[in-house]
Amino acid sequence: GAGVSQSPSNKVTEKGKDVELRCDPISGHTALYWYRQSLGQGLEFLIYFQGNSAPDKSGLPSDRFSAERTGGSVSTLTIQRTQQEDSAVYLCASSFTSGGAPQETQYFGPGTRLLVL
Amino acid sequence: AQSVTQLGSHVSVSEGALVLLRCNYSSSVPPYLFWYVQYPNQGLQLLLKYTSAATLVKGINGFEAEFKKSETSFHLTKPSAHMSDAAEYFCAVSVTGGGNKLTFGTGTQLKVEL
Repeated sequence: GAGVSQSPSNKVTEKGKDVELRCDPISGHTALYWYRQSLGQGLEFLIYFQGNSAPDKSGLPSDRFSAERTGGSVSTLTIQRTQQEDSAVYLCASSFTSGGAPQETQYFGPGTRLLVL
Repeated sequence: AQSVTQLGSHVSVSEGALVLLRCNYSSSVPPYLFWYVQYPNQGLQLLLKYTSAATLVKGINGFEAEFKKSETSFHLTKPSAHMSDAAEYFCAVSVTGGGNKLTFGTGTQLKVEL
């Protein structure tokens, strides 16, 4: 079956522009996660969705970052007024939910490589 | 809060030699532990996981890891390295009740030499 997909695979933008990154989770996975992988910070959690709600947004680094999920499926991560330090690989993952709780295994997409010039 | 420490950002082994990648964790509650592998320009692929069942966990590609609570360790091993094992390896921890968000170590780059 299809895995987690992300688009675009690469994005180059100018400082100050807004960008949108998309994640399409595995069908039937109601839990969805965004992570960021950068040279300086390693792999870090950004936000967790259960359905369309985000019970944990604790990893979003600033109010320039936001995310939404509609229809319990596709999620969009938006970065406003991008800065050079936002350059990173943004990874999305999804997992199955049972009894209202996400299962422990997360399946990752290939990531979106963002470069802010 | 949970944390993971991976000793050795770079490890080099000869083809056919034992692979040992070290991971120590910190968690105030029983953890779930994972090893993921990342090949260049790709996402993360799950190698294996510990979820409080057997302490010796076998994964894909001949890798295994042993959960040692007394040492708070979850080291990854493979008896005989293959050239295709060259990649970056990440140890991660999560706990239930927190949405299972993953906390990663800093990664170990494995190089396999002829």
